[in-house]
Amino acid sequence: DIVMTQSPDSLAVSLGERATINCKSSQSVLYSSNNKKYLAWYQQKPGQPPKLLIYWASVRQSGVPDRFSGSGSGTDFTLTISSLQAEDVAVYYCQQYYSTPHTFGQGTKLEIK
Amino acid sequence: EVQLVESGGGLVQPGGSLRLSCTASGFTFTTYSMNWVRQAPGKGLEWVSYITSSSGTIYYADSVKGRFTISRDNAKNSLYLQMNSLRDEDTAVYYCARPLGGTAVAPLDYWGQGTLVTVSS
Repeated sequence: DIVMTQSPDSLAVSLGERATINCKSSQSVLYSSNNKKYLAWYQQKPGQPPKLLIYWASVRQSGVPDRFSGSGSGTDFTLTISSLQAEDVAVYYCQQYYSTPHTFGQGTKLEIK
Repeated sequence: EVQLVESGGGLVQPGGSLRLSCTASGFTFTTYSMNWVRQAPGKGLEWVSYITSSSGTIYYADSVKGRFTISRDNAKNSLYLQMNSLRDEDTAVYYCARPLGGTAVAPLDYWGQGTLVTVSS
């Protein structure tokens, strides 16, 4: 199984500042035949199901604000929120869908400083 | 509007069984693979299982393999999860989720609100 490890476990950032969340996979999730990285990011607010933010490591889902961006290589990925807003307080998860089981990271809790 | 509505959760004793349902609407269910994902109270997300549109391919997490069975009825736009030999550690909110574009190898773009399963004596 591919193990997804996020860092940090929790993060406090001031409003308007940049927030960066990291995700590392235990093996590459880059499929060489199509050069796609099988990595997604989700946002989950209390009492709600997860919401897809980013897929293919860097493609923003429709309707997601452009302050959210994703980047990374075959094993190391980053979710960046360029200017933190109050409504971004949530837990963020990465997920690989390269191979089954489609494992999630443990989550990163983002709060306002 | 895409909607996924789970039902069937509840309190069950260890060793018992439960069948979850997910009713889909707002999209062509017959062309989409579907997933179950769970979340224990206060914990992270755990992918449980997926089934392709024709039920031709099914995968399970090792934690549920041999105890849970995923199935679907395309005529009823419904997804199911039969859970047997339930354990305390199966206590979680169970979400059904649709993959982007319909293929099994895809991120999950629509999720239901979830149904809570509590395994306790």
